[in-house]
Amino acid sequence: AQSVSQHNHHVILSEAASLELGCNYSYGGTVNLFWYVQYPGQHLQLLLKYFSGDPLVKGIKGFEAEFIKSKFSFNLRKPSVQWSDTAEYFCAVSANNAGNMLTFGGGTRLMVKP
Amino acid sequence: KAGVTQTPRYLIKTRGQQVTLSCSPISGHRSVSWYQQTPGQGLQFLFEYFSETQRNKGNFPGRFSGRQFSNSRSEMNVSTLELGDSALYLCASREGLQEQFFGPGTRLTVL
Repeated sequence: AQSVSQHNHHVILSEAASLELGCNYSYGGTVNLFWYVQYPGQHLQLLLKYFSGDPLVKGIKGFEAEFIKSKFSFNLRKPSVQWSDTAEYFCAVSANNAGNMLTFGGGTRLMVKP
Repeated sequence: KAGVTQTPRYLIKTRGQQVTLSCSPISGHRSVSWYQQTPGQGLQFLFEYFSETQRNKGNFPGRFSGRQFSNSRSEMNVSTLELGDSALYLCASREGLQEQFFGPGTRLTVL
C-alpha cells in the first residue's frame, strides 16, 4: 500500500519569502501526484498535478512542483508567498492500479504574516 | 458547470444512531469517491463508486457503506454511530483520467 509523508506540519513565513513544502511517498509502481490546498472555510482545491512527462509542473497561483522519481519526492514551491496563501496544503498520490483512490499526506498548515 | 454538492452541510447525531450523507457529482462525472477528514487521522479514503459499482474500498469497518445511483449521485451511510465518527466527510467526483474535484463536505458531529 502506498503512503505519503509531509515533513512540515506547520510553516510560518513572512510575505515575499520563498516556500518549499516537502512530500515523499512510498510506492514502487507508477503514480500520479497531486497537491491540493484548503483555504480557511473552503473546500479542497487542486493546485497542480503530475501524471507523466515534464517532471516540473506548474500550477495555479504561481505554485510549481518537481517530481524526482529517484527520491520518491514531489515538493511544492513558490518563489514569493502572499498573505492570501495562508492555508493547509496536502500532497496526494494515486497508484495507477488503485483506481481513483487518493492517499493523502498529513497536511502542512502555512501561515503567511503580512 | 456546477461543482460537487453535498447535503446536508452539518449534522448532529447521537451515539448509536445512523446517518445518510448525499453527494451530487459534477454533471458528466461517473466516478464518486468518499473521504473522511479528522484532525487526528487526516484525510482517509472510504470508498469509490463508478457506474453504480463499488470499485475500491478503504480500511473502514462495515458500519460505513455507500451506494451510487444511475444518475451518478451517491450516498454514504454510517450505522451505529460512535464518537470517533465525528469528522468532515468529503465527496469527490472525477471523469476519465482527470483529477478529482471535491465538494464542501458534510460536518458530522456525534454526541
